[in-house]
Amino acid sequence: NAGVTQTPKFRILKIGQSMTLQCTQDMNHNYMYWYRQDPGMGLKLIYYSVGAGITDKGEVPNGYNVSRSTTEDFPLRLELAAPSQTSVYFCASSSLLAGGNTGELFFGEGSRLTVL
Amino acid sequence: GQSLEQPSEVTAVEGAIVQINCTYQTSGFYGLSWYQQHDGGAPTFLSYNALDGLEETGRFSSFLSRSDSYGYLLLQELQMKDSASYFCAVREAGAGNMLTFGGGTRLMVKP
Repeated sequence: NAGVTQTPKFRILKIGQSMTLQCTQDMNHNYMYWYRQDPGMGLKLIYYSVGAGITDKGEVPNGYNVSRSTTEDFPLRLELAAPSQTSVYFCASSSLLAGGNTGELFFGEGSRLTVL
Repeated sequence: GQSLEQPSEVTAVEGAIVQINCTYQTSGFYGLSWYQQHDGGAPTFLSYNALDGLEETGRFSSFLSRSDSYGYLLLQELQMKDSASYFCAVREAGAGNMLTFGGGTRLMVKP
């Protein structure tokens, strides 16, 4: 059972570079999310998707873009990387919106990004 | 906007009981979740309360009081492996029905 898989696990970027964080899930969940977690802090929602072809902004979307062409995949694109985007990025999925009446999201292992 | 408050750190000894509190201010509250995260790991789901009262899952229990906008996570018979960060999270209409996380409580279990 793979669950939610993220790649890469670690990446160092130079200021101004761009990259895509990959996320795929094999649980046939409609709902997927991207969160960022700064050191010692909670998770902040960047973008989410309620199904293929549908995405929406979360709390901190600036500097990021997403797409959802399939149920399984939800890549996060960073354009013109800045030091403020140094963080750990978590992709998550759920069968119900925001966990619904179970409150449960399934998280990937995270992608640790450093922008220098 | 929404806000969640939880203590930043708690220390307890092995075998003891510890309670991690969470207070929240939301609009259109649906429920309170708890997640555990070990250093360098992914958050993993522990429990969920939508109604007032206590939910028990093994050594862990979670409580909610909707009228007080307050909940807590209770960990019994603490083990060293319980050393981790614990996050409360609320689902609320005011945040587009999304899950909003607190800043986390770092629990250190000592021998």
